[in-house]
Amino acid sequence: DGGITQSPKYLFRKEGQNVTLSCEQNLNHDAMYWYRQDPGQGLRLIYYSQIVNDFQKGDIAEGYSVSREKKESFPLTVTSAQKNPTAFYLCASSPTSGNIQYFGAGTRLSVL
Amino acid sequence: GQSLEQPSEVTAVEGAIVQINCTYQTSGFYGLSWYQQHDGGAPTFLSYNALDGLEETGRFSSFLSRSDSYGYLLLQELQMKDSASYFCAVLGTGGGNKLTFGTGTQLKVEL
Repeated sequence: DGGITQSPKYLFRKEGQNVTLSCEQNLNHDAMYWYRQDPGQGLRLIYYSQIVNDFQKGDIAEGYSVSREKKESFPLTVTSAQKNPTAFYLCASSPTSGNIQYFGAGTRLSVL
Repeated sequence: GQSLEQPSEVTAVEGAIVQINCTYQTSGFYGLSWYQQHDGGAPTFLSYNALDGLEETGRFSSFLSRSDSYGYLLLQELQMKDSASYFCAVLGTGGGNKLTFGTGTQLKVEL
């Protein structure tokens, strides 16, 4: 089945630790996105990538990093510089010319 | 920049019709989208308006008026499974098919 897979579903971070959230898609989409969602809030864009080996900052990129070494994969690292990382993280993808984004099931990150 | 406002909560009874409004301020956009998100789940695409007017998809319809900077999602024959959060989002003209999402409206459908 085609889709977007995020892992893990739940993740706990200790103080000063970097953690990496995985996002894999087999939809053959060029564009991929990372969003952060806080309780009762909308989605805010962290980073996005339109093509392999290229990515751009979104609205709230501070404290996060990404890579796009393969078309299928767009991992997000939450660094120790992100002081308030507790949130629901959603990955999405879309065709370059499309107006629809397809979302993964999300990763819920909490701080220990 | 882009900003979108929605009511935080709407309540309706099963079988009724409900309208969820979205007002926006934008520096330019291609169209207005609507997404549904059940608690703890992934947002799923519902509808997209590139042009002014009404788009109908089954029980759901979406409307856009660029002159009024306003859109809405209309849900008919409400069912309990329609209880979810609904987000409007603008597709920006800055490249990358970037979406800017509204604050979200939680719809509660009651018996």
